[in-house]
Amino acid sequence: DAGITQSPRHKVTETGTPVTLRCHQTENHRYMYWYRQDPGHGLRLIHYSYGVKDTDKGEVSDGYSVSRSKTEDFLLTLESATSSQTSVYFCAISEVGLQPGGGYTFGSGTRLTVV
Amino acid sequence: AQTVTQSQPEMSVQEAETVTLSCTYDTSENNYYLFWYKQPPSRQMILVIRQEAYKQQNATENRFSVNFQKAAKSFSLKISDSQLGDTAMYFCAFMNSQQGGSEKLVFGKGTKLTVNP
Repeated sequence: DAGITQSPRHKVTETGTPVTLRCHQTENHRYMYWYRQDPGHGLRLIHYSYGVKDTDKGEVSDGYSVSRSKTEDFLLTLESATSSQTSVYFCAISEVGLQPGGGYTFGSGTRLTVV
Repeated sequence: AQTVTQSQPEMSVQEAETVTLSCTYDTSENNYYLFWYKQPPSRQMILVIRQEAYKQQNATENRFSVNFQKAAKSFSLKISDSQLGDTAMYFCAFMNSQQGGSEKLVFGKGTKLTVNP
């Protein structure tokens, strides 16, 4: 969707290195989310944000940190990547009140491989 | 915590036929939303259909319809006149409407649907 972009689209990194994934939106939505998708697990919430500098943990937050210094950007950082973090990462946005329970707009995903 | 169960990891259907994907969920809440998302090989997540729990009428979007059974906590997706472009992973998802503002989605593990020519 044109209103949300993720970068990079693909990345290969080595175990133990730091990695940052970027999510950028042009919709001015308040809420942003990071999910990871793994076979047999569906999508699981890592962290989410409900405003600038306001973030909270999701279901699988261990090993991940996030930052949101501007409304439009939500960064996901793997401080020291491990092979278990090999996954496809999705960013999503939503706006409560715009269409309550309207569902998300998703980015196109980042495939991260940790070798 | 809410959970979403999709009991069919894989399904296949012949082109032009009808297929139903199952989804059950567990919640103690009375007000919530349910969704079906489609993920084709391109990886893009596409909203197929949305149901509000307080509405008894089943949602319909063209060839896609749901059978929402609130008491049974069941939310199945029916695809009529299946097309090759319907080949995708389908995810059922739940959203509690009383989350204090944030709209966290809980996903099932997905059903991989293949439409055969």
